[in-house]
Amino acid sequence: DMKVTQMPRYLIKRMGENVLLECGQDMSHETMYWYRQDPGLGLQLIYISYDVDSNSEGDIPKGYRVSRKKREHFSLILDSAKTNQTSVYFCASSLSTGDHEQYFGPGTRLTVL
Amino acid sequence: TQTVSQSDAHVTVFEGDSVELRCNYSYGGSIYLSWYIQHHGHGLQFLLKYYSGNPVVQGVNGFEAEFSKSDSSFHLRKASVHWSDSAVYFCAVNNVGDNSKLIWGLGTSLVVNP
Repeated sequence: DMKVTQMPRYLIKRMGENVLLECGQDMSHETMYWYRQDPGLGLQLIYISYDVDSNSEGDIPKGYRVSRKKREHFSLILDSAKTNQTSVYFCASSLSTGDHEQYFGPGTRLTVL
Repeated sequence: TQTVSQSDAHVTVFEGDSVELRCNYSYGGSIYLSWYIQHHGHGLQFLLKYYSGNPVVQGVNGFEAEFSKSDSSFHLRKASVHWSDSAVYFCAVNNVGDNSKLIWGLGTSLVVNP
């Protein structure tokens, strides 16, 4: 069963706290992504990972970092969260670089107070 | 700069109606085009894609899309919608060879009334 999972699904943090969002996939996909989705702004790419320890900034990387130590896991880290990082975060994966179809997780709704 | 434009933010129809969701793009090179669907509270799901060949591509659940190079468009259509088709639909374009980075439209919210 092809699946992308995200944990947690909902998270409330205070400004300045650290945040860890986790993503897993069971398809042995090479490429993984982190997006955020905000009303009126659509999907914005934060980071893309081409494989283990091969990560690249997306369009809005500031304030975020990522870690990919195993092919099936891709973490998004917010060091000292800010209120403007309140958003819904989606992880996605695709078979390989250049492959077009992306598989999305269910999302994590993060609120930073 | 590649852009994807979905001119209708909201579309409302009745069950059984046909619907067309519009997508226009600006890019001169070789591209993939795709549509994704997002039901409320869920992640996006792939519907269909076009790269070459027959400009009309079939997707899941009766959706199809037609590529037009002259119009720079890739509109999504369904002949008879069901209430469960209510969702947000996203068009995306990807430059062939651009390491899987998709350029996304802002989405069209489709509401199907019973």
